[in-house]
Amino acid sequence: AQSVTQPDIHITVSEGASLELRCNYSYGATPYLFWYVQSPGQGLQLLLKYFSGDTLVQGIKGFEAEFKRSQSSFNLRKPSVHWSDAAEYFCAVGAKGGSYIPTFGRGTSLIVHP
Amino acid sequence: GAGVSQSPRYKVTKRGQDVALRCDPISGHVSLYWYRQALGQGPEFLTYFNYEAQQDKSGLPNDRFSAERPEGSISTLTIQRTEQRDSAMYRCASSLAGGPGGTDTQYFGPGTRLTVL
Repeated sequence: AQSVTQPDIHITVSEGASLELRCNYSYGATPYLFWYVQSPGQGLQLLLKYFSGDTLVQGIKGFEAEFKRSQSSFNLRKPSVHWSDAAEYFCAVGAKGGSYIPTFGRGTSLIVHP
Repeated sequence: GAGVSQSPRYKVTKRGQDVALRCDPISGHVSLYWYRQALGQGPEFLTYFNYEAQQDKSGLPNDRFSAERPEGSISTLTIQRTEQRDSAMYRCASSLAGGPGGTDTQYFGPGTRLTVL
């Protein structure tokens, strides 16, 4: 069974600083990988996803993530954080083949200081 | 509609009562998913449909939970004889095309916050 670990419950950064949110997954083969963002009172919104090919994935809102098979990681990055990026971020892994049902991590709460 | 809608947004009920949570997916979306999200946790899969057919209900915690999507559009998640441990955010998502190995994006609704007293 697949699983996801987001080791940081909270991350605090200053506006304009760079950001990296960590995600490690456990799965026997190459997985599908996703990052979602959840703002208060809103549903989850997909930021980016990796299925195959280029391991550096570009997403919306200036985010990117890099799939590293050797480290079983899919960390999310942004070069310069904006105050509006404050939200909950979820990494998810889905299994290739068969029905795709994602398994989500517990989330990382991003706090942005002015 | 413009997005996935869920109703009610908040539901407070007493232990032992039945509740029905509604999800209205994006028009034309084949697949519909239900998740439960406890406070401080990520969404946990409950069940999903392609059209009106329930494809996977392995995430439903027990037989008090059921879901239907009779006409392949709106779906209802029903919890019978609610217990305090059922308190959570219940989220619905839809995607354009389901099926094995589907890679299409899921669009999430705002959720229904259920509180069981």
